[in-house]
Amino acid sequence: DAKTTQPPSMDCAEGRAANLPCNHSTISGNEYVYWYRQIHSQGPQYIIHGLKNNETNEMASLIITEDRKSSTLILPHATLRDTAVYYCIVTWNSGAGSYQLTFGKGTKLSVIP
Amino acid sequence: NAGVTQTPKFRVLKTGQSMTLLCAQDMNHEYMYWYRQDPGMGLRLIHYSVGEGTTAKGEVPDGYNVSRLKKQNFLLGLESAAPSQTSVYFCASSLGLAGWASDTQYFGPGTRLTVL
Repeated sequence: DAKTTQPPSMDCAEGRAANLPCNHSTISGNEYVYWYRQIHSQGPQYIIHGLKNNETNEMASLIITEDRKSSTLILPHATLRDTAVYYCIVTWNSGAGSYQLTFGKGTKLSVIP
Repeated sequence: NAGVTQTPKFRVLKTGQSMTLLCAQDMNHEYMYWYRQDPGMGLRLIHYSVGEGTTAKGEVPDGYNVSRLKKQNFLLGLESAAPSQTSVYFCASSLGLAGWASDTQYFGPGTRLTVL
């Protein structure tokens, strides 16, 4: 299964874009990149996912490099409510007809007023 | 839609006691999952189910049992609780098209369990 590497913490000024990097150098061709976040002990919340192309939704944008070895999650206008732990995850095939998520320690994003 | 709900929200057990955590989803999802999260750590998969009547082991299954008698419910049991099982337990569900890597998981609010 592919593993990810994220910085343990980042700060971002309120109203500015938050760019969260993730390395996944061992990702294989059919594995997706997912981003979730966890706000203070709540259940993780889905943000966005992608395979090869860049993706955008109402919450964020996901930029995946052409070689797929790294990606960046962009929160375009960070607010204080975006303070959370952000997890970059690569799905892997468990061999039982199911793709699993493996959560690392994530990046603690602090949005500063 | 309530999404994914978990019962109870909090529980304190003594070593050796048993209990069952209930997860329910109203999204007609095929797949359901149980995770645990220890302080400062990411989530680790305990067991999962790819459909009614089926279960499979995840990364840390020892000391836990599960059952999926109804599609909407996934139960996690602790037969003889140990202090090492003090954790926050999260349930999740996903649509679960077999072999579909693009399958978003939706999480419940968690159950905080303390074993003394």
